[in-house]
Order: sequence, then structure tokens, then C-alpha cells
Amino acid sequence: NAGVIQTPRHKVTGKGQEATLWCEPISGHSAVFWYRQTIVQGLEFLTYFRNQAPIDDSGMPKERFSAQMPNQSHSTLKIQSTQPQDSAVYLCASSLGGGANTEVFFGKGTRLTVV
Amino acid sequence: GDSVTQTEGLVTLTKGLPVMLNCTYQTTYSPFLFWYVQHLNEAPKLLLKSSTDNKRTEHQGFYATLHKSSSSFHLQKSSVQLSDSALYFCALSDYNVLYFGSGTKLTVEP
Repeated sequence: NAGVIQTPRHKVTGKGQEATLWCEPISGHSAVFWYRQTIVQGLEFLTYFRNQAPIDDSGMPKERFSAQMPNQSHSTLKIQSTQPQDSAVYLCASSLGGGANTEVFFGKGTRLTVV
Repeated sequence: GDSVTQTEGLVTLTKGLPVMLNCTYQTTYSPFLFWYVQHLNEAPKLLLKSSTDNKRTEHQGFYATLHKSSSSFHLQKSSVQLSDSALYFCALSDYNVLYFGSGTKLTVEP
């Protein structure tokens, strides 16, 4: 079990460019989550899929951010027209989806730097 | 809505001393609380969890007790080690999603 895999580990984009971040959840996990980590805000929830269906995107900035899960083995987070304030570590996580007491496993994250 | 508060942003201690990291929460549901630890350049990992009122839960020398009366789930250790230097996050589950506090950076010095 390789855990949650995120690629790339580091990404540098110019202001205004698009950034796509990739996540491969643990095989057999039905729930996939995206979080954003910054020093100031800590870990912020962005969005959540269950069995590939989007369930809750209440944490997603409404403009420029989108997430998809085209199959059970990967999810993507896309940021259009990146801005310096988008610089952060983006974490993907997965779980068996068994409710509140279910352990959530995180990837090591993608560090996005917008210059 | 659900929220988690961690009051200490930075804690620096000498090896061998005890530590307590504060965590309080607000929720309208029955609470499920978690502590996650993140070492430098690593993924956050579950340290311990609880949903049982007034019952101490322990793992790797760390312990915490959920107190519903005070909405608290403070993390403690009796003697910190250099390897405990990390970011510690308290989190609350709403049955689907984990909501995290802002985190506490613990630095243990020789």
C-alpha cells in the first residue's frame, strides 16, 4: 500500500497560468478529500467526493477552482488563472468512507508556488 | 457551524518536560475528535481519536480526554522527546468531513 499519491510534489506557475494537481487515493477508499494548507489558515477543507460523486464543495473558492474525479483511481484539482494568494500546499486525502470515526489518510501534498 | 480552536500557534519546550496542547470545539452534533501530527515534509497522520466522553485515549505516549462538558480535547504528553517536534492539528468530524484547527507547531529543544 503506497498510501495516497500526489503529483507533482512541487509546482511553480506564473501568475495567470493554469495549474492541475493530481491525486491517486488508496485503492478501495470511497471518499476523497482536498485540503489547502497555509501557515496562516492551517488546513482548510476544499471539497469531497464519495464514490466519485461530488458531495460537498463548500470550501472551494467559487471562481477559478474546480475538482473532478473521473474514475475511482484519481482525482484532480484545477486552478485557473493562478494568483499569488493561491500559493499553498494542497493535500489530498482518502478514507473508507465509513462515517465520522473512519481514519482519513493524507498524501504528502503538492506545494504550489505562484510567481 | 462546526469549528475547532487551537490557542497556541507555537510551543517550544526542552526535552523531558510535559506538554499540553489546547483544543476546543463547537458542534451541534455528537462530537468525534481527532489529533493529527505532521512532521516536516510528511503527510499528516492520525495520532489519536475519541468520541467517548471522559475516557482517556492514548497512543505513542500522547493522551487526550474528550470532555463534552467543556467542549475540549487537549493533547498531553508527560515527557516530550526531540522526535515530537512537529505540527499538531486538532480536528472535528461532521460525519463526513474533518474540520481542522489552525495547528500548533511544537519544537522540542535538547
